[in-house]
Amino acid sequence: DGGITQSPKYLFRKEGQNVTLSCEQNLNHDAMYWYRQDPGQGLRLIYYSQIVNDFQKGDIAEGYSVSREKKESFPLTVTSAQKNPTAFYLCASKKGQGATGEQYFGPGTRLTVT
Amino acid sequence: DAKTTQPNSMESNEEEPVHLPCNHSTISGTDYIHWYRQLPSQGPEYVIHGLTSNVNNRMASLAIAEDRKSSTLILHRATLRDAAVYYCILLNSNSGYALNFGKGTSLLVTP
Repeated sequence: DGGITQSPKYLFRKEGQNVTLSCEQNLNHDAMYWYRQDPGQGLRLIYYSQIVNDFQKGDIAEGYSVSREKKESFPLTVTSAQKNPTAFYLCASKKGQGATGEQYFGPGTRLTVT
Repeated sequence: DAKTTQPNSMESNEEEPVHLPCNHSTISGTDYIHWYRQLPSQGPEYVIHGLTSNVNNRMASLAIAEDRKSSTLILHRATLRDAAVYYCILLNSNSGYALNFGKGTSLLVTP
């Protein structure tokens, strides 16, 4: 089946450690996105990539890094510089070009840092 | 960026139609109106989108006001599985067509 996978579903880390969240898609989509969701809030954009080897900061990129070496993969690293890393992280890819394409979301990774 | 305004919550009985409103008075001519919904502990799911004309698909209908300053998502017969947070989003080329989520409308469906 085509879709987006994120792993792991739950992740626990100690403060001060970097952690990398996986996002893979087999939909052949060019654009991919990382969002963060805090309890009771909407999603906020961390980073996005419209093509391989290129990515742009979103609204809350500080303390995060990404890479896009392959079309199907867009991993997110939460660094120790991120002040409040505990959150629900969602990866998405976008079908088609322009503003008409729908986004497909993965199941999310719930990160807890203590 | 143009913003959207939605009620925090709405309630519906099962099997009845639901009309979820969204105001976007500062919408620009190139903004598309998208609706997504999110079930608890899941990623959002695309529902429908439109530009100027009303749109129908298997999930819902989207009614867009003539001046485009508001729109309404219509679920024709609500089921318990439709209980979710519904987001109305204006999409344009900013941030690579990323979705700008507000707080959405939490829909409660009662049997």
